[in-house]
Amino acid sequence: SQQGEEDPQALSIQEGENATMNCSYKTSINNLQWYRQNSGRGLVHLILIRSNEREKHSGRLRVTLDTSKKSSSLLITASRAADTASYFCATVWDGGATNKLIFGTGTLLAVQP
Amino acid sequence: KAGVTQTPRYLIKTRGQQVTLSCSPISGHRSVSWYQQTPGQGLQFLFEYFSETQRNKGNFPGRFSGRQFSNSRSEMNVSTLELGDSALYLCASSGQGRLNEKLFFGSGTQLSVL
Repeated sequence: SQQGEEDPQALSIQEGENATMNCSYKTSINNLQWYRQNSGRGLVHLILIRSNEREKHSGRLRVTLDTSKKSSSLLITASRAADTASYFCATVWDGGATNKLIFGTGTLLAVQP
Repeated sequence: KAGVTQTPRYLIKTRGQQVTLSCSPISGHRSVSWYQQTPGQGLQFLFEYFSETQRNKGNFPGRFSGRQFSNSRSEMNVSTLELGDSALYLCASSGQGRLNEKLFFGSGTQLSVL
């Protein structure tokens, strides 16, 4: 399977703490994206990092990418109860013609108030 | 702008039946993709359409098909339903479907096959 893997599978933290989730993938990529999903609804795009970038920030989110290790991490700082959701990394293969996403297995984040 | 709209939100079918799901992309978006989400297999790519043409297809049997209309709206069809087809079906749109474009997802259609 081309599917990436994420760890941990589940993470429970207190409000105000930082949450870090990791993603590993298998193919060479054009970019890597992170999405959030609330309670089995649609996915919401969080951030996109290109293969030639090493770090990217967006608000309370920080994403790193290490293409030599085929891995990425998502850091959410000062977490809030509203951050409770499943988080998925998704890669776009650099040999493809379209933005077909290959998703990781996801991390379920629970932020306790 | 209105987001990606999927109908219906929930669907219950029995084995052997067929089903059609609908997706209206964000206005101006020409690329529409479909994904299947199950607890066992996670999120998997079904197919992608652009200008009424299927440009990319995932590893699903021929029972899964789709099409796109001239207004970019898309439908997917699953024939001869099996229990394993129970899943959340997600539609996503982007402008041109280029590699660096993010996807905008609808809320999904939850299909239950009994």
